[in-house]
Amino acid sequence: KAGVTQTPRYLIKTRGQQVTLSCSPISGHRSVSWYQQTPGQGLQFLFEYFSETQRNKGNFPGRFSGRQFSNSRSEMNVSTLELGDSALYLCASNHPEVNEQFFGPGTRLTVL
Amino acid sequence: GENVEQHPSTLSVQEGDSAVIKCTYSDSASNYFPWYKQELGKGPQLIIDIRSNVGEKKDQRIAVTLNKTAKHFSLHITETQPEDSAVYFCAATSGGSYIPTFGRGTSLIVHP
Repeated sequence: KAGVTQTPRYLIKTRGQQVTLSCSPISGHRSVSWYQQTPGQGLQFLFEYFSETQRNKGNFPGRFSGRQFSNSRSEMNVSTLELGDSALYLCASNHPEVNEQFFGPGTRLTVL
Repeated sequence: GENVEQHPSTLSVQEGDSAVIKCTYSDSASNYFPWYKQELGKGPQLIIDIRSNVGEKKDQRIAVTLNKTAKHFSLHITETQPEDSAVYFCAATSGGSYIPTFGRGTSLIVHP
């Protein structure tokens, strides 16, 4: 079974720009979660999508948004980028029957 | 909300020694405790987990113990090898949620 894929793997943007990251979960997994990982704050939950609906949301500003498509692929968008948005953004594919998560390799975003 | 404390933040051992990483949690409703290993440039990988109806679980050289009364759980790695060097995260999740609360991570260094 293929694992979780995230694209792109690396991204460099400048302040004020916006960015879209993509995640394809494991086949058969309908729930996807997104996390931001930084050295200072650790792993922080952004949001979770299930069957194209946002089911849970973390404590991030409205500049962070996401969506999920009918094939379970998910995207997250960050608008008006700030230097502090530089981080590793991780997508997790959630097992349909038990609360186990499987992470992708992440997208390393650098904001200059 | 849930709070997970993880210690130590850094652990340095000689190859062949044992390593123990400890976590505490605050929410008595938490019932699923996964451990993740994150190697440089990769996403976290689920290595072992335990549910609140079990006190101990073992998988080859790694084991996890859970003390529900004290709200403690620990990861034990025996006969450590250089390839065990990585950052290890504990997490606690309640109910059927896909939103774990993560510890801040332990950087394990195994010296050959």
